[in-house]
Amino acid sequence: NAGVTQTPKFRVLKTGQSMTLLCAQDMNHEYMYWYRQDPGMGLRLIHYSVGEGTTAKGEVPDGYNVSRLKKQNFLLGLESAAPSQTSVYFCASSYRGPPYNEQFFGPGTRLTVL
Amino acid sequence: AQRVTQPEKLLSVFKGAPVELKCNYSYSGSPELFWYVQYSRQRLQLLLRHISRESIKGFTADLNKGETSFHLKKPFAQEEDSAMYYCALYTGTASKLTFGTGTRLQVTL
Repeated sequence: NAGVTQTPKFRVLKTGQSMTLLCAQDMNHEYMYWYRQDPGMGLRLIHYSVGEGTTAKGEVPDGYNVSRLKKQNFLLGLESAAPSQTSVYFCASSYRGPPYNEQFFGPGTRLTVL
Repeated sequence: AQRVTQPEKLLSVFKGAPVELKCNYSYSGSPELFWYVQYSRQRLQLLLRHISRESIKGFTADLNKGETSFHLKKPFAQEEDSAMYYCALYTGTASKLTFGTGTRLQVTL
């Protein structure tokens, strides 16, 4: 089992460019999450999904869109990247929601927006 | 709104010394608390959760509702405990966890 994988690992964008981050899990988990991690701010939830075809906003959703067309994939899109979106992005998945279900994290994507 | 506070960015202890990583939360209801850990060059992973009342790798954490705390403790630190530790809170809404800013534990010889 690969667990949770993220593509790409690193990316540099110019302001205004768009990109999509892909998260894939092979554990048949229902729930998937996108977080961003910034120095001194811990992990903040961007969007999450409780099942195929569903998405919901987290704490910091502005500037991002997501889609969960297949159960195993959760895509995070930046339509017009801004320097404030420079961060490390983590995807996670869990069988169901908290508190009984552990979240399994991906290795992260380091994004720099110039 | 719920919040998790980890007051120490860095905690440095000697091998064999006791460890206490502090976590305070703000929530008036019945929370569930977790500790996640990220070792060097590894993924963030669950260390322990209050609901399981478990001890993992010698670590324990007690939920103190009066002090709204969930401090992580270990009686004797080991070098392999060096890592980034995050406290997380679940309040029963929106299927999500709220994470603290993390504390880096450095265990030295």
